[in-house]
Amino acid sequence: EVQLVQSGAEVKKPGESLKISCKGSGYSFTSNWIAWVRQKPGKGLEWMGIIYPTDSDTRYSPSFQGQVTISVDKSINTAYLQWSSLKASDTAMYYCARENYYFDSWGQGTLVTISS
Amino acid sequence: DIVMTQSPDSLAVSLGERATINCKSSQSVLYSSNNKNYLAWYQQKPGQPPKLLIYWASTRQSGVPDRFSGSGSGTDFTLTISSLQAEDVAVYYCQQYYNTLYTFGQGTKLEIK
Repeated sequence: EVQLVQSGAEVKKPGESLKISCKGSGYSFTSNWIAWVRQKPGKGLEWMGIIYPTDSDTRYSPSFQGQVTISVDKSINTAYLQWSSLKASDTAMYYCARENYYFDSWGQGTLVTISS
Repeated sequence: DIVMTQSPDSLAVSLGERATINCKSSQSVLYSSNNKNYLAWYQQKPGQPPKLLIYWASTRQSGVPDRFSGSGSGTDFTLTISSLQAEDVAVYYCQQYYNTLYTFGQGTKLEIK
């Protein structure tokens, strides 16, 4: 069974850094791109970016380019999403998803809350 | 960017009745070389991640009940639930994967009347 398991909820202050994770299992992790999707409270889905674990090729949505960094450690089947300086507007649920053209498996989500 | 626009924003349907959600893309998502529409539908229930329902515009994901169906081509698509069940209360999103900017529609909230 394909599974994507994300790291737990985080509460941070503005200006702090953060790295959240998404660990894949049940399939060949290097065979599929991994996407990150943001969902602000009560709002819709926004695609942030995508990474190919085999060679770390990464593409970003123009809306998120320069705001976040996506990385991967294929040795432990884990993708990451990180911020260097969080803002209150980064408060959201973040999902990783396996790309197979469409997004066929999703992680459970990581809730990130930014509050002073 | 390809802009995806869903209608309506919300919908209330009686149990056992048909529910229809529309999705329009700002440009065609039909790839002529393989005649496939790069369009997916997702269901998101409260407190849960999205779940893939339909891909290639009309192919049901394994395990998805056959009351869910997708249709359309080019720029206009429809998700139909033939006989609404209580467990279908959710927000539904369309998504294009024609270009790798993967844009979603704004979502349609489906409720029981």
